Amino acid sequence: EPEVTQTPSHQVTQMGQEVILRCVPISNHLYFYWYRQILGQKVEFLVSFYNNEISEKSEIFDDQFSVERPDGSNFTLKIRSTKLEDSAMYFCASRQANQPQHFGDGTRLSIL
Amino acid sequence: ELKVEQNPLFLSMQEGKNYTIYCNYSTTSDRLYWYRQDPGKSLESLFVLLSNGAVKQEGRLMASLDTKARLSTLHITAAVHDLSATYFCAVASGSRLTFGEGTQLTVNP
Repeated sequence: EPEVTQTPSHQVTQMGQEVILRCVPISNHLYFYWYRQILGQKVEFLVSFYNNEISEKSEIFDDQFSVERPDGSNFTLKIRSTKLEDSAMYFCASRQANQPQHFGDGTRLSIL
Repeated sequence: ELKVEQNPLFLSMQEGKNYTIYCNYSTTSDRLYWYRQDPGKSLESLFVLLSNGAVKQEGRLMASLDTKARLSTLHITAAVHDLSATYFCAVASGSRLTFGEGTQLTVNP
């Protein structure tokens, strides 16, 4: 069964550094998402992306965050200058029209 | 702002017992999802509920939706240890999903 794949599985970064989280959505999916889950808390929406542009973003997704689909397969989340509170599990998801979102295994981001 | 509340947040039950997890949400939506998450793992889609009165069943789990009451339930029948996990409901609003806090289910032998 096709899967959403995310790399790396764990990223450790110094505070203030830039980080890029990578995702390969399922190949025929058109809608892409990033969510985050701080340890022990609920999953929070960050951003949705369709037709090469952001369709919706949450209040968490401030100017420090950006997303890109640089080619036909990758979907990336960049955090420009990381803060301690950015430490979380970041999930990428994708879906077809009118279908559930399929989630990747996540990238655990640890900011030191 | 859409709010999604689950209860209970923690549920410890014995194998063979039945129980229900509740998910309330604050504004109208046309889609509600249930996901399962094992510790340190991703979210696995269990059910999609699209209309009032929708009921779906898979094995020992059954989900239902009452859009008028803005309530969904996840019923567990004759629980087994393999069902131990955290269960999230998620409500669609626009292009985003808003998740509940999750119910951490532990099934004891």
